[in-house]
Amino acid sequence: RKEVEQDPGPFNVPEGATVAFNCTYSNSASQSFFWYRQDCRKEPKLLMSVYSSGNEDGRFTAQLNRASQYISLLIRDSKLSDSATYLCVVNSRAGGSYIPTFGRGTSLIVHP
Amino acid sequence: DAGVIQSPRHEVTEMGQEVTLRCKPISGHNSLFWYRQTMMRGLELLIYFNNNVPIDDSGMPEDRFSAKMPNASFSTLKIQPSEPRDSAVYFCASREQVGNTEAFFGQGTRLTVV
Repeated sequence: RKEVEQDPGPFNVPEGATVAFNCTYSNSASQSFFWYRQDCRKEPKLLMSVYSSGNEDGRFTAQLNRASQYISLLIRDSKLSDSATYLCVVNSRAGGSYIPTFGRGTSLIVHP
Repeated sequence: DAGVIQSPRHEVTEMGQEVTLRCKPISGHNSLFWYRQTMMRGLELLIYFNNNVPIDDSGMPEDRFSAKMPNASFSTLKIQPSEPRDSAVYFCASREQVGNTEAFFGQGTRLTVV
């Protein structure tokens, strides 16, 4: 079983829609969590960190459920520019370090 | 800050040739990671360094792959001999060692082995 699992999609939604992505992780010792965004043929870039209490950044809301080992990302009022792949990232402690493990990513296509 | 710098951006080589990928991490970052990304397997961690010391290379596919970090501002990933199945995008990322923070990625090297 892969450590970090995501639905690959693609999610194909119209502009203005609300879309939610989910991610599960297997290592209960995981310490911190992030969502990255990756555009086609570009490098992954941090979108937002995920805090235990949940956090919001404009149209984006991230939530964490440690008991269920589950992370989510909600995008409201989707824009064409939101089209990208969204990667769930989990930092798990190993050998004195925190190792970032990436999910395969969920592809989002926002159409007019 | 210029961010993480990788070179070359693109590399096309023939099977059997040696390939060297280079990375300059963000100044002050103590952890450096090498990842490989393919459509089939996504982003896979190959090896990571803390304070220039290799900590875990269990992700390196086989002995043909090697990585070094001779100082805090430079790392290489070498493939010798290269094979077509090594074709992928190779990313270098760096991070502050202290704390549980995010990693910053370079633009990647797109490797094609023919």
